[in-house]
Amino acid sequence: NAGVTQTPKFQVLKTGQSMTLQCAQDMNHNSMYWYRQDPGMGLRLIYYSASEGTTDKGEVPNGYNVSRLNKREFSLRLESAAPSQTSVYFCASSVGGGYTQYFGPGTRLTVL
Amino acid sequence: AQKVTQAQTEISVVEKEDVTLDCVYETRDTTYYLFWYKQPPSGELVFLIRRNSFDEQNEISGRYSWNFQKSTSSFNFTITASQVVDSAVYFCALSEARGAAGNKLTFGGGTRVLVKP
Repeated sequence: NAGVTQTPKFQVLKTGQSMTLQCAQDMNHNSMYWYRQDPGMGLRLIYYSASEGTTDKGEVPNGYNVSRLNKREFSLRLESAAPSQTSVYFCASSVGGGYTQYFGPGTRLTVL
Repeated sequence: AQKVTQAQTEISVVEKEDVTLDCVYETRDTTYYLFWYKQPPSGELVFLIRRNSFDEQNEISGRYSWNFQKSTSSFNFTITASQVVDSAVYFCALSEARGAAGNKLTFGGGTRVLVKP
């Protein structure tokens, strides 16, 4: 039982490049989330998927897109990376809204 | 709108001292959930506790205890007899109700705890 897994662990991009961050959970959770964590700050919600087939914007969605591929997988795409997107990205999952969110190990992304 | 404030950015203690982390929240909802997470130097986020707004009982789990006071909108966390392994950043978080609104978890800025041997 791996919980929430994320790939890659580290990534360096040049401004304007695109990439997709992958997330998978094996806990049969309905809801999945993407957060970013900037130095000295708490986590901010980018997008979430309350259930398979639905996605919704969080607090800081600009510059990102998401896909809920199936119940297990939720990907985050940066179409044209910008230095302001340098951050640590965390994926999380939960049974549903209001329930405990369990986090993956994070992806450290640097945009030059 | 919901908001979580952790006024203490960093606390430094010597091993075996007690340390209390403050968390103050704002919400217009009557049903909400409060959480504490630990982020050790390795970077992962570890869930510690979830509390709903209707349960004001304090809770103790080993060396950890939580004091929830609805009247002051606070959910404070105490580590008793701190150990070096407690060194981490601790986050308080809030979600409003269940369903779609419950998916929006708002985090405080975190409190870094440094426990010196």
